[in-house]
Amino acid sequence: RKEVEQDPGPFNVPEGATVAFNCTYSNSASQSFFWYRQDCRKEPKLLMSVYSSGNEDGRFTAQLNRASQYISLLIRDSKLSDSATYLCVVNKNGNQFYFGTGTSLTVIP
Amino acid sequence: DVKVTQSSRYLVKRTGEKVFLECVQDMDHENMFWYRQDPGLGLRLIYFSYDVKMKEKGDIPEGYSVSREKKERFSLILESASTNQTSMYLCASTPGTPSEQFFGPGTRLTVL
Repeated sequence: RKEVEQDPGPFNVPEGATVAFNCTYSNSASQSFFWYRQDCRKEPKLLMSVYSSGNEDGRFTAQLNRASQYISLLIRDSKLSDSATYLCVVNKNGNQFYFGTGTSLTVIP
Repeated sequence: DVKVTQSSRYLVKRTGEKVFLECVQDMDHENMFWYRQDPGLGLRLIYFSYDVKMKEKGDIPEGYSVSREKKERFSLILESASTNQTSMYLCASTPGTPSEQFFGPGTRLTVL
């Protein structure tokens, strides 16, 4: 079983739509959780960390459910510039990182 | 801002050549990582290092070696490049405490 699993998509949504991505992880000892954004042929960049209480950054909301071992990312009012691949990342012990394969999002005009 | 740099953005090599990929970070981070990324497979860890001269194998170390002689520099070596090592190679670093990873821009390596 993979450490981190994501629906690869693709998700094709119109501008202004709300879209949600989920990610499950297998190791209950996981400590830190992140969503990264990766544009085509570029490196992953941190979008936001995910906290147990949930956190919001503008149009983006991340949630963590430790009991069910999943994290989610909600994007409201999608923009064309949100088109990218979103990677779910789980960290254990500070130097062990596990990546999902990414979810592809295309926002359509 | 943390900066992670990689020696080349694009590289073309021939089968059997020895290839060096260099990564430098400027934030005094303890941990450094080398990944390869292939379509449908995501990021896979090749090696990581938690201190100078220390290294640990990742999930796919075969055909690769690494060197960390200085804290800021982590090198990936392909001893004898093969076509199945054509990939995007990403270097990353983190401080010693749990934190997000900071990635370099990547090296797209093609082995002919």
